[in-house]
Amino acid sequence: QQQVKQSPQSLIVQKGGISIINCAYENTAFDYFPWYQQFPGKGPALLIAIRPDVSEKKEGRFTISFNKSAKQFSLHIMDSQPGDSATYFCAASASEGNNRLAFGKGNQVVVIP
Amino acid sequence: EPEVTQTPSHQVTQMGQEVILRCVPISNHLYFYWYRQILGQKVEFLVSFYNNEISEKSEIFDDQFSVERPDGSNFTLKIRSTKLEDSAMYFCASKLQRYNEQFFGPGTRLTVL
Repeated sequence: QQQVKQSPQSLIVQKGGISIINCAYENTAFDYFPWYQQFPGKGPALLIAIRPDVSEKKEGRFTISFNKSAKQFSLHIMDSQPGDSATYFCAASASEGNNRLAFGKGNQVVVIP
Repeated sequence: EPEVTQTPSHQVTQMGQEVILRCVPISNHLYFYWYRQILGQKVEFLVSFYNNEISEKSEIFDDQFSVERPDGSNFTLKIRSTKLEDSAMYFCASKLQRYNEQFFGPGTRLTVL
């Protein structure tokens, strides 16, 4: 069962452009939605996260938009830089239980100069 | 800044052999997790551990797998008889409290020949 679906699979963006990655979830018990950034050979690193009590959260160039009724959330990377080239995973977990993270398949973002 | 560490970074083993992957979570964290990532695929939950016992495990975590927190600092994942399909990156994660973010280690790449 794929609880978190992520799209697109890969993305090529010009430096300075906006990268947008979308995720959809199925489990209505999910109430925590993080985005992780992963560089080759490294572990996932938390980038930004949101809970369903807000529809948007911004940290620097990174913004999460959350649509509870549609069960969707997205990551926007503004002013994309070559250093942002990485794989981005959306994930979700429920406060009830053990907060196991259900990850999306990942999205490879390549920012070209 | 405190971080999760994992050893070894790369483990090569023969099919049928036992392996132990080691993790040192962040020192005051209480919740511990193992995830794995088969090359090119998403990160998958294996097991969560709290209060010195398994709190949840996935269908992947069969009788060949076990976890242990032998002392106050280490958290280990043992695979008793490795199979070819166990080849993957194994990530340890920890968090302080129930509703906090999970911090991931750099991973151990397990190669089963």
